[in-house]
Amino acid sequence: GAGVSQSPRYKVAKRGQDVALRCDPISGHVSLFWYQQALGQGPEFLTYFQNEAQLDKSGLPSDRFFAERPEGSVSTLKIQRTQQEDSAVYLCASSFDWGEQYFGPGTRLTVT
Amino acid sequence: QQQVKQSPQSLIVQKGGISIINCAYENTAFDYFPWYQQFPGKGPALLIAIRPDVSEKKEGRFTISFNKSAKQFSLHIMDSQPGDSATYFCAASMVGYQKVTFGTGTKLQVIP
Repeated sequence: GAGVSQSPRYKVAKRGQDVALRCDPISGHVSLFWYQQALGQGPEFLTYFQNEAQLDKSGLPSDRFFAERPEGSVSTLKIQRTQQEDSAVYLCASSFDWGEQYFGPGTRLTVT
Repeated sequence: QQQVKQSPQSLIVQKGGISIINCAYENTAFDYFPWYQQFPGKGPALLIAIRPDVSEKKEGRFTISFNKSAKQFSLHIMDSQPGDSATYFCAASMVGYQKVTFGTGTKLQVIP
């Protein structure tokens, strides 16, 4: 595709629900990243994949957050038992090896 | 722990003026300093980047100045245009690590 795509663009969840956010990286990009961007703040790193291997998950805020990239392309970020503090924009980025990271438009998650 | 501090939080500049955004970092292991531009509803996009072996980098109307001893760097936008109105993030990372640490952002408004 032309760029990184994310779906859904908007998600409203009731507290305690599980959500799954999808990222389609640019074709051929080896590296994939997830960031969390709170309102009025800069993106904060969550996790990083190289192909299907999750090499860094140091930014995941709790064990309720789980990410996977089983075939080395599409990735899913799952949040279990959502809390209000999980409300944020979740950004996905991809890059070809160690190059520039290209960001998707993000998924805005609102937990009510 | 905020590793990259950014100021000002917001900035209003007249068309044709110079916009200046400042950042400071703490971790001396950082060796790559990108600037990102983000429009509402979009993901960040790389604008310009610098490594600490140079003190200045210019691309068109955008210039990064870098002071390694002071651990500070800044973005100058010359001849600012209304189309430059966006949020700007400074960032830092280390060679060998894909994680990017972002500043808190500066919302720039260029008025005609």
